[in-house]
Amino acid sequence: GENVEQHPSTLSVQEGDSAVIKCTYSDSASNYFPWYKQELGKGPQLIIDIRSNVGEKKDQRIAVTLNKTAKHFSLHITETQPEDSAVYFCAASKRTGGFKTIFGAGTRLFVKA
Amino acid sequence: GAGVSQSPSNKVTEKGKDVELRCDPISGHTALYWYRQSLGQGLEFLIYFQGNSAPDKSGLPSDRFSAERTGGSVSTLTIQRTQQEDSAVYLCASSPPGWTADNSPLHFGNGTRLTVT
Repeated sequence: GENVEQHPSTLSVQEGDSAVIKCTYSDSASNYFPWYKQELGKGPQLIIDIRSNVGEKKDQRIAVTLNKTAKHFSLHITETQPEDSAVYFCAASKRTGGFKTIFGAGTRLFVKA
Repeated sequence: GAGVSQSPSNKVTEKGKDVELRCDPISGHTALYWYRQSLGQGLEFLIYFQGNSAPDKSGLPSDRFSAERTGGSVSTLTIQRTQQEDSAVYLCASSPPGWTADNSPLHFGNGTRLTVT
């Protein structure tokens, strides 16, 4: 089955700096890669996603890149702000073999003011 | 509109007791998922319901775990004879109809924090 690995597990940056979180997946059939942000005491919330026919997608300060050949995808947050502090999860899913979404282990991001 | 609702938000139970966790998905969402999140860990898939199809139970960790979805809406996750290792946050999520593998946003509830003493 699919396996998603996520690095780093913890990331600390200064306010205004950029943050990058990287993920790899194992199943070449996966074709949808969402990213979720989880704040304390709440469920994860979708922040951006990318499909396998696209290499990059940007939404304001957040961007995601996908390298299908290497089975890598990354989340980039620019001009970080204290409210970006949270746990971020990458995930992968595919149509065949069931619809379950497999998540990475998460990255705890700290943005220091 | 209303999001995914889970109850109770917190549950403390004694080892060996049974517990039921409830999930009310977003109205009109046809897919429903249960995930488990242990302290500081990622999300572990448990079970998935899609419409009237047979559920995908491949993530249930043991036969003490079961789930039902009545009338294609509300779901209940039941854990029998709870063990201390069952302590975790149990998250429910739903997806809108017309779901395809490349358009599958999961809408999560805030979870039920289960503590087994």
